[in-house]
Amino acid sequence: AQSVAQPEDQVNVAEGNPLTVKCTYSVSGNPYLFWYVQYPNRGLQFLLKYITGDNLVKGSYGFEAEFNKSQTSFHLKKPSALVSDSALYFCAVRDIPTGGGNKLTFGTGTQLKVEL
Amino acid sequence: ETGVTQTPRHLVMGMTNKKSLKCEQHLGHNAMYWYKQSAKKPLELMFVYNFKEQTENNSVPSRFSPECPNSSHLFLHLHTLQPEDSALYLCASSQVGQGYEQYFGPGTRLTVT
Repeated sequence: AQSVAQPEDQVNVAEGNPLTVKCTYSVSGNPYLFWYVQYPNRGLQFLLKYITGDNLVKGSYGFEAEFNKSQTSFHLKKPSALVSDSALYFCAVRDIPTGGGNKLTFGTGTQLKVEL
Repeated sequence: ETGVTQTPRHLVMGMTNKKSLKCEQHLGHNAMYWYKQSAKKPLELMFVYNFKEQTENNSVPSRFSPECPNSSHLFLHLHTLQPEDSALYLCASSQVGQGYEQYFGPGTRLTVT
């Protein structure tokens, strides 16, 4: 089965500094990878995805992610963090569906805290 | 978040009650999903519907009963729940064959007393 791992439960960064939230994956075949963000008491919001093409993927709110096949990683990045970026971030991978559809398997989430 | 709506946003129910959660997607998608999100646990996929047909049931107890009358609506019927069923229940939708990403509703916070 496809899986993703988020090794950090929490990441702290100062506002204005670059941020990185880590994700590694394990798949058979080509990986389809996603990042989502969740604010308190809200659903998950789609940020960006990698399907094919350029290894650097740009998404919403100034976020980007770098696909690295040799390291099986898909880290989320932002050049300059904002306090409003503080939230729970999930990495996900498309799983092989048994009955069709777009089944996603999510990581355990990383809490990002951006401080002044 | 207006693409996928969920009602109610909060629900408190006793263990003997029967209630239903409702999800509606306004995105023209053809697949819908129920997830359970508990504190300190990974997001759990419960059910998958493609073109109104249930294609996946991840060993969910029978006290949870899904219903998908059309591609835009999804229900989760609840009966004789346990306190450990207290969680945030999230609905999502996607377009099969395009993009692969799912779009989520805001969730229903369920408390079982």
